[in-house]
Amino acid sequence: EPEVTQTPSHQVTQMGQEVILRCVPISNHLYFYWYRQILGQKVEFLVSFYNNEISEKSEIFDDQFSVERPDGSNFTLKIRSTKLEDSAMYFCASSADTSGYNEQFFGPGTRLTVL
Amino acid sequence: KNEVEQSPQNLTAQEGEFITINCSYSVGISALHWLQQHPGGGIVSLFMLSSGKKKHGRLIATINIQEKHSSLHITASHPRDSAVYICAVSGFGNEKLTFGTGTRLTIIP
Repeated sequence: EPEVTQTPSHQVTQMGQEVILRCVPISNHLYFYWYRQILGQKVEFLVSFYNNEISEKSEIFDDQFSVERPDGSNFTLKIRSTKLEDSAMYFCASSADTSGYNEQFFGPGTRLTVL
Repeated sequence: KNEVEQSPQNLTAQEGEFITINCSYSVGISALHWLQQHPGGGIVSLFMLSSGKKKHGRLIATINIQEKHSSLHITASHPRDSAVYICAVSGFGNEKLTFGTGTRLTIIP
């Protein structure tokens, strides 16, 4: 069964460093998302991406964040200069379309720890 | 902005009990999703529904669009059902999911 994959599973970094979180969405999906979950809190939307551009972003997704689909398979989230408060689980998701009626499939997550 | 509320926040039950988790939201939606999050953190989609009722094995999800309310039921609960169950909604013309805070379910053998 096709699945969304994410690497690494756990990333530890020093404050101020750049990190890139990687995702491989399901191959025939067209819509991609990043969400994050700070420990003990609910999952929050960060950004959605379609046709090689951002379709929506939340207020969390400031200039420190960027997304890219560098090739036909990977979808990346970059945090330019990490802060302590960026420590969270980051989930990638993909869906076949964006009607709102389509199921989103989640990756296993990357746990980011900023020291 | 849609506010998604779940109850209860925590639920402990004996194996075999019938479980109900509730979700309410404040603004009309295109679909409601029930998700399961295991201790390792991964999220699995259980149901997506926009009306009526869906059943998968021992899990049943219902939605009342007029009342902006959904329930997730688990029949004959089992310790392996222990997880966090999350309700999330997607709006019209808006594909992002807005999440509830989750219900932590623990089933005791």
